[in-house]
Parts: sequence; C-alpha cells; structure tokens
Amino acid sequence: GESVGLHLPTLSVQEGDNSIINCAYSNSASDYFIWYKQESGKGPQFIIDIRSNMDKRQGQRVTVLLNKTVKHLSLQIAATQPGDSAVYFCAENKTGNQFYFGTGTSLTVIP
Amino acid sequence: GAGVSQSPSNKVTEKGKDVELRCDPISGHTALYWYRQSLGQGLEFLIYFQGNSAPDKSGLPSDRFSAERTGGSVSTLTIQRTQQEDSAVYLCASSFGRGLDTEAFFGQGTRLTVV
Repeated sequence: GESVGLHLPTLSVQEGDNSIINCAYSNSASDYFIWYKQESGKGPQFIIDIRSNMDKRQGQRVTVLLNKTVKHLSLQIAATQPGDSAVYFCAENKTGNQFYFGTGTSLTVIP
Repeated sequence: GAGVSQSPSNKVTEKGKDVELRCDPISGHTALYWYRQSLGQGLEFLIYFQGNSAPDKSGLPSDRFSAERTGGSVSTLTIQRTQQEDSAVYLCASSFGRGLDTEAFFGQGTRLTVV
C-alpha cells in the first residue's frame, strides 16, 4: 500500500493473476476519490473514480473499493497484463478543495 | 488546448542557474497543482492554486522555489540557484476546482537535469 513518505512501495504479480493495490487516505471528510496510472515517462492518467456515497465501482478490468470506516481505498485489476505495469496513485478530494495524492505503488507484471 | 501543456519537456541547466518551468492548464480549470517526482519516487506536492485565493505553498522545499499564476491561467514555477538535488520531473495538473467532482488532469511533465 501507499505510505506517507516518497519511497515507492512495490507489487509484483504474475501475468493473468489479479492485482490489488491499497491506499489509506487521511481526511474523513473527503468525498471523491480517484485512481491514476502513470506509465514510464508519462504523466499520471485517470483510471477510475468513486464518490463517497458508493462502496464499489467497476470499470473495464478494474474495480475500486471504498471503506470509509477505516479510510481505505483499493484498486483491483483483473487478469493483470504486462501493459498494466506502471505506478498507481490514489487521490482524495473534498468537493471544492484541493486533491491530495498518495505517494504511489509500483506494479510490475511478470510475464 | 485539449490538455495540460508543460514546457519545456526537458531542461538541462548548470548548477547555480535559475530555471523557469511553464504550465498551461486546461481552459476553464481554476485549480492548478505543481508536483515534483524524483526518479523512482512518488509525487511530492509543491504548490496549489485555486482561483484568486492565496496559494497553498506548504510543499515548496525551500525559498529558492516560487510559483506564480498570472490571470488565473498560465503558471510558472521558478527555481533559483539550482542544485543537483533539484533534478526531477516537475508535473503540473489542473482541475475545475470548487463545486465540481472531476478529476485532475496532468501534463507530461518537465524533466529537469541540473549538472
């Protein structure tokens, strides 16, 4: 999972397995959350978002789970592919205020 | 433009020189962020602008770093008397800001190398 410092946690998964990336957010008043993917040499790109009135949201091969009780966000990637290798960031926001980004988790998919 | 534009994409400078990095946010976005990302590291928050409000400068690492946002649009991040530890990718992001739950969009970054 992501940590307060700048050191990047790493996660290695076998191609075809499911990946779970975790994020602990800090502000209990945050009501909007996003996962970003950053490929090497590029800026972070939006993957999926979720609002605080939801516990789960699914996209194409990705699912975001939100547990407001423990302020925890996770990103699940189904059938992980080599193209999923990247750094993944979570971001939290209280509507109208600034986004706060997590440090990131580096995902490596082993062929 | 269609996205957040940063220039230059790459900058090599000598230690002790000043540099200016530019960010053109998406039109209509009132919120603008600067982040720094060292090689293999996470995002380090630098500064946040929201409309005409006073910017949140709490992430600026030293007084050598400053940023402006003129007319609520283009932003310039200035690093004075650059040091080798300033070498990193500087990322800019923008979003609609107040009242709207939408994502922040990132530029491709400026890779700064101090030699």
